[in-house]
Amino acid sequence: DAKTTQPNSMESNEEEPVHLPCNHSTISGTDYIHWYRQLPSQGPEYVIHGLTSNVNNRMASLAIAEDRKSSTLILHRATLRDAAVYYCILRGGTSYGKLTFGQGTILTVHP
Amino acid sequence: DAGVIQSPRHEVTEMGQEVTLRCKPISGHNSLFWYRQTMMRGLELLIYFNNNVPIDDSGMPEDRFSAKMPNASFSTLKIQPSEPRDSAVYFCASSPTGERNIQYFGAGTRLSVL
Repeated sequence: DAKTTQPNSMESNEEEPVHLPCNHSTISGTDYIHWYRQLPSQGPEYVIHGLTSNVNNRMASLAIAEDRKSSTLILHRATLRDAAVYYCILRGGTSYGKLTFGQGTILTVHP
Repeated sequence: DAGVIQSPRHEVTEMGQEVTLRCKPISGHNSLFWYRQTMMRGLELLIYFNNNVPIDDSGMPEDRFSAKMPNASFSTLKIQPSEPRDSAVYFCASSPTGERNIQYFGAGTRLSVL
């Protein structure tokens, strides 16, 4: 599986935007970029995913570089409930959807 | 929809005992995944099923671990005999087949082997 590289931790203030980067220089043409997050004492939850174009949903936005070797998860207005570990994952193009989690980025949100 | 349901939420057992973790996936989902999470190793995929058939069990640590999916609405992960190093949080996730393949996780079972 192609690997991703994320900063170990980031900090933000409440109500401010947060940009979480992810590098995936060995991404293949059929790999989808998925983001999941894990709140304290909970299972991971899906945030957003994309292939080539930028994506928006109610939780976040995903900006994908033109060469697809990096992406950025954008939380437009961080809240205290967004404090979590954020995982950037490449999912192969098979129908089974296997995910390989890395260490992720620990996001701390300050009031 | 109740989501993925795991039981028990917490399990404390003694070394050498058999442990069975249970999972009920979301109705209609074709794929089921078992993960283990520890501080040292993070979140690891143990095994996954598609249409009740095991597809990849390369993540199962050793023969003491076994998983079954007798039908579309139930799966078990069994550890026999259990060891202290098996202490971890075990997550089950399910996913519909298709391009989106979003995985929905249960709340996990926290296992402590004394």
